Amino acid sequence: EAGVTQFPSHSVIEKGQTVTLRCDPISGHDNLYWYRRVMGKEIKFLLHFVKESKQDESGMPNNRFLAERTGGTYSTLKVQPAELEDSGVYFCASSQYRAMNTEAFFGQGTRLTVV
Amino acid sequence: GEDVEQSLFLSVREGDSSVINCTYTDSSSTYLYWYKQEPGAGLQLLTYIFSNMDMKQDQRLTVLLNKKDKHLSLRIADTQTGDSAIYFCAETPGYGGSQGNLIFGKGTKLSVKP
Repeated sequence: EAGVTQFPSHSVIEKGQTVTLRCDPISGHDNLYWYRRVMGKEIKFLLHFVKESKQDESGMPNNRFLAERTGGTYSTLKVQPAELEDSGVYFCASSQYRAMNTEAFFGQGTRLTVV
Repeated sequence: GEDVEQSLFLSVREGDSSVINCTYTDSSSTYLYWYKQEPGAGLQLLTYIFSNMDMKQDQRLTVLLNKKDKHLSLRIADTQTGDSAIYFCAETPGYGGSQGNLIFGKGTKLSVKP
């Protein structure tokens, strides 16, 4: 069974440009999460989808970030326009249930560098 | 506020035990987790402990929880070179979010020397 896959694995863009990150969760997982880790800091929660609905987007830093999950399958995270402080590793995770003892499976992450 | 603290680095010799420590601030956390990240890979859930437990053992891994001191530790017995990775401590937020809405520490980089 395929795990959580993220694309691209690396992206280098200039300040002011737009970047779209994609996450394909494990098939059948209704819950999808985005996290990011800025260099040397904690992994921070960004948002949580249940199917196509945003359940919790309290971690989204500002309105330059737009996450979508049309059809409740894969999700995209768009940064527009990108700023230097957006550099970091963006992780996606999925889980079948919301229960707290249910494992969330993480992708390998997308390393975003804004120059 | 919610905060999870870990030391950033730990170096041990192969065959020794490793102990990675973590402190957290949210006393209402219900689950605490240890994740492992190998180079170039995503986060892998190693183990978790429910807040009403004080110890959990799973093969070479032992998790100890001191809820009074808000201290969590992960002991790896007979540490191997394949255990070299970054280990993240994480807690559920006090408002009862799901397992995916976790609060992570900065991670402890474990280096195992042969």
